[in-house]
Amino acid sequence: TQLLEQSPQFLSIQEGENLTVYCNSSSVFSSLQWYRQEPGEGPVLLVTVVTGGEVKKLKRLTFQFGDARKDSSLHITAAQPGDTGLYLCAGLPSGAGSYQLTFGKGTKLSVIP
Amino acid sequence: EAQVTQNPRYLITVTGKKLTVTCSQNMNHEYMSWYRQDPGLGLRQIYYSMNVEVTDKGDVPEGYKVSRKEKRNFPLILESPSPNQTSLYFCASSPYRSGEKLFFGSGTQLSVL
Repeated sequence: TQLLEQSPQFLSIQEGENLTVYCNSSSVFSSLQWYRQEPGEGPVLLVTVVTGGEVKKLKRLTFQFGDARKDSSLHITAAQPGDTGLYLCAGLPSGAGSYQLTFGKGTKLSVIP
Repeated sequence: EAQVTQNPRYLITVTGKKLTVTCSQNMNHEYMSWYRQDPGLGLRQIYYSMNVEVTDKGDVPEGYKVSRKEKRNFPLILESPSPNQTSLYFCASSPYRSGEKLFFGSGTQLSVL
């Protein structure tokens, strides 16, 4: 199983601040996804990135896939309390026959009003 | 509404008493999977299935069984539960054979005493 390291593990910020969450690996991934999980619920897919260097925006969230497809970042602009949750990155290893999505351990974000 | 339904949401049982957690999806997805989520360990895959009658072990299959007799259902069976199987369990499905872009159920919190 390929390892995905997420940092920071915990993040507590004030409403209106910006933040960046990182997802790193020594392995190459054919695609990388970000999910958000709220307490008592299952993770919900936010975005999938598949091309090295790709940048995708979802309102105040900006996702980037590294050029070498080994890492990704999630940047939130002007964080809101509704952004609070556990952010998980998940990668599909590069190579034929890859059927196991690998999850990072997550970044727990708290946005304080 | 497209969804993955797990039951029960909460379950308390005793060591050795067989139990089944049900999972059903209404999206006609071929791929289904079970995960467990533990503090500090993240989401770990237990078993997955790419089609009816096709199942494969994930990263932590010991102590679990699954079956895929119908496309929509993917029950998780614990023949003889032990306390180390106390965890939060998630069923998920995907429209892709690779298991990307997962749709998760709301989770089953299992406590084995």
